[in-house]
Amino acid sequence: DAGVIQSPRHEVTEMGQEVTLRCKPISGHDYLFWYRQTMMRGLELLIYFNNNVPIDDSGMPEDRFSAKMPNASFSTLKIQPSEPRDSAVYFCASRAGGAGYTFGSGTRLTVV
Amino acid sequence: GENVEQHPSTLSVQEGDSAVIKCTYSDSASNYFPWYKQELGKGPQLIIDIRSNVGEKKDQRIAVTLNKTAKHFSLHITETQPEDSAVYFCAASSRDRGSTLGRLYFGRGTQLTVWP
Repeated sequence: DAGVIQSPRHEVTEMGQEVTLRCKPISGHDYLFWYRQTMMRGLELLIYFNNNVPIDDSGMPEDRFSAKMPNASFSTLKIQPSEPRDSAVYFCASRAGGAGYTFGSGTRLTVV
Repeated sequence: GENVEQHPSTLSVQEGDSAVIKCTYSDSASNYFPWYKQELGKGPQLIIDIRSNVGEKKDQRIAVTLNKTAKHFSLHITETQPEDSAVYFCAASSRDRGSTLGRLYFGRGTQLTVWP
């Protein structure tokens, strides 16, 4: 199993541009989570899905952030427009039922 | 929601010594407590977990203890090695929509450094 796959690994973009982060969960996992990690706030849950349906998006910072899961094997997190304070490492994680999370390697986003 | 506190934020030990990281949680309904290890440039990796019906669990050099009455749990690493150096996160979870597990609430992490 290739694990949770995230792309890109690094993204540098200018303020105001649209950014799309991608995630492929482990096959058979029915939960998918998007986290943001910063030194100041640690690991923050942004949104999570169960069977492709968003369950809790209360962690999404503002309307500039949106997430979709069109099918069981793909999810996107979009920031439009991006701002310097969005700079962070974004992690996707998936799990099946009562099992623990498996995290991807993350996307390091820098907004200049 | 749940609130997980983790201490210490940094921990330095000599190779071969033991390391202990402690966490407390606020929601008495939490019933699953995993520990994650994050190495530089990588995502957190599950290293051990414990459920509320168990008081202690061991896996080679690592062990986790849980005190449900006091709402705290701890990670113990014995005979530490330089490759144990990483950031360690504790987390807690309770039931969610009938699932056996809900979302995880993470502590702020402990940077463990093992000196050779």
